Order: sequence, then structure tokens, then C-alpha cells
Amino acid sequence: KAGVTQTPRYLIKTRGQQVTLSCSPISGHRSVSWYQQTPGQGLQFLFEYFSETQRNKGNFPGRFSGRQFSNSRSEMNVSTLELGDSALYLCASSREEGQGKETQYFGPGTRLLVL
Amino acid sequence: GENVEQHPSTLSVQEGDSAVIKCTYSDSASNYFPWYKQELGKRPQLIIDIRSNVGEKKDQRIAVTLNKTAKHFSLHITETQPEDSAVYFCAARRSGYSTLTFGKGTMLLVSP
Repeated sequence: KAGVTQTPRYLIKTRGQQVTLSCSPISGHRSVSWYQQTPGQGLQFLFEYFSETQRNKGNFPGRFSGRQFSNSRSEMNVSTLELGDSALYLCASSREEGQGKETQYFGPGTRLLVL
Repeated sequence: GENVEQHPSTLSVQEGDSAVIKCTYSDSASNYFPWYKQELGKRPQLIIDIRSNVGEKKDQRIAVTLNKTAKHFSLHITETQPEDSAVYFCAARRSGYSTLTFGKGTMLLVSP
């Protein structure tokens, strides 16, 4: 099975712009979670989607949003970018049913730099 | 919500020594505890996980122990090798929820 994939791998944006990141989960996985990883804060949960619905949301401002499509692919969007949004954005997928349902598998991440 | 504390933040050992990383969690309803290894520039990779119905799980040189009463769990790596050098993250997941809460990570350095 192919692993979790994310595009693009690298992005450079300027303050005030917006950005869209994409995540394709492992085939058969219905849940996609997004995390922001920074050196100081570690892995912080952004939101989780399951069957096209946002099930959980972390403590991030409304500038961060996401969605999931019927094929389980997910996108996250950040509007009005700030310097502090520079980070590695990771998505992870899980089956959420059956044995080992909780196991989350991570994609390679998108490294976003905001100038 | 859940809070996961991880210690130490850095750990240096000599090749062949054992390494222990400890985590505590706050939510007694948490029942799934994975450990991830992240090498520099790479994605986090699951190395071992444990569910609350067992107290210990081993996989070759890696083991995890869970103490539900004290709400802490630990990662044990024996006979460490330089390729074990990485950042290790613990996490906890509450029953009925799909969210993982991560510790801040431990940078393990194994010197030859």
C-alpha cells in the first residue's frame, strides 16, 4: 500500500497571502488529522476529518481551516499568513475501524516558510 | 483536555547502553499510547504502541510499560545503536476520541 502523501513538500509565501496544502491518506483510511510542528511547540493538533466532517478541532485561530473530500483526501488552508505560521505541517491518516484502528501514519509533511 | 508531559527533553547515552523516556498523562479515560521516532528531516514513524488493557509490550530492543494508576508510560530501548539517534514522541488518545495529544519530544543522542 502506498503511504500518506502530501503536496507540496515546500512552500515559500509572504505575510498576508493564503496557502492550501493537500494530503492523500492511505487507501482505506477514512480519518485525516493535521498537525503543526515547530521546534518550540512540538506537534500541535489542528483538526481531524472523518467522512468529510470535521470531528475535532485544536486551539488554532479561524485562519486555519480544512476540508475532506469523498475520496478521503484532505486539504488545509491558512489565510492571511503570519510569520509565526512558518512550520512543518504534517497530516496523518488512520482507519478508525477494525483492529489497529487508532494507529496514525504520518505523511512527509509540507514545510511552509512565511517571509 | 488531555495533557502529556515527556521527560527528559534530551538524553545522551553511549552505544550499548539503555535509554528510558518517560511520559505522564492527565486524562484517566486515555486508553491508547503510541510512541513515534522522528529522524532529522523525516516524518514521525510509529515504533511501538500499547493499549490500556496491557501493562507491557516488547518488540526486539524496544519495550513500553504502562502504569494506569499512576498515569504514566515509558519507552525502554536496550543495547542502543547510533541509528537510534532521533527525536522520540509519546502520545495519548482518549477512549471515544480520535485525537492524539503529543508530548514535547525527547532528543536521543547515541554516541559510538
